[in-house]
Amino acid sequence: DTAVSQTPKYLVTQMGNDKSIKCEQNLGHDTMYWYKQDSKKFLKIMFSYNNKELIINETVPNRFSPKSPDKAHLNLHINSLELGDSAVYFCASSQRGDQPQHFGDGTRLSIL
Amino acid sequence: AQSVSQHNHHVILSEAASLELGCNYSYGGTVNLFWYVQYPGQHLQLLLKYFSGDPLVKGIKGFEAEFIKSKFSFNLRKPSVQWSDTAEYFCAAFGGYNKLIFGAGTRLAVHP
Repeated sequence: DTAVSQTPKYLVTQMGNDKSIKCEQNLGHDTMYWYKQDSKKFLKIMFSYNNKELIINETVPNRFSPKSPDKAHLNLHINSLELGDSAVYFCASSQRGDQPQHFGDGTRLSIL
Repeated sequence: AQSVSQHNHHVILSEAASLELGCNYSYGGTVNLFWYVQYPGQHLQLLLKYFSGDPLVKGIKGFEAEFIKSKFSFNLRKPSVQWSDTAEYFCAAFGGYNKLIFGAGTRLAVHP
């Protein structure tokens, strides 16, 4: 069974569109995260949730809106997509913030 | 500011060569340190972690890392690399407030 699963794996869309990425973890972890990995492989945290509550918002534009319906799910909705949003987005989870994180397979978002 | 520095951006080795990747961290709080590996097209996987105790930590696939508190370093080593070790390697440190801080990554290419 996949521990952290995110869908879709690939997302190709046009500028200005709205899209969502879903993430689910079956590890029973309390904390979930969204990361953005750019073309140079630099990994930057975007959001962190603990038990459905937002803990970290790393100066991400408000076009990005995470939603956590329960502690096993953390979805990411992006409005008015821009060229600079092209990246790989990783979801991750951990038991606590200082513990090892388990990553999903990533969603490669390409903006045309 | 909290930061993690990885000194080598690209490393090219021949099979059977020894590997050492440098990592320095600046966070002065709880020292939880990690090395992750990202194989081409895949998600990040935990190689090893250090929380406390023996500063020499052994991980999976023959990797080890040494925590040297006086140097704020957590270097990754492997005595003899294989072609299958070709990947991106990320050092990370617990940065407080429920997040990990990742280094910029080191791309390792191992030639047969």
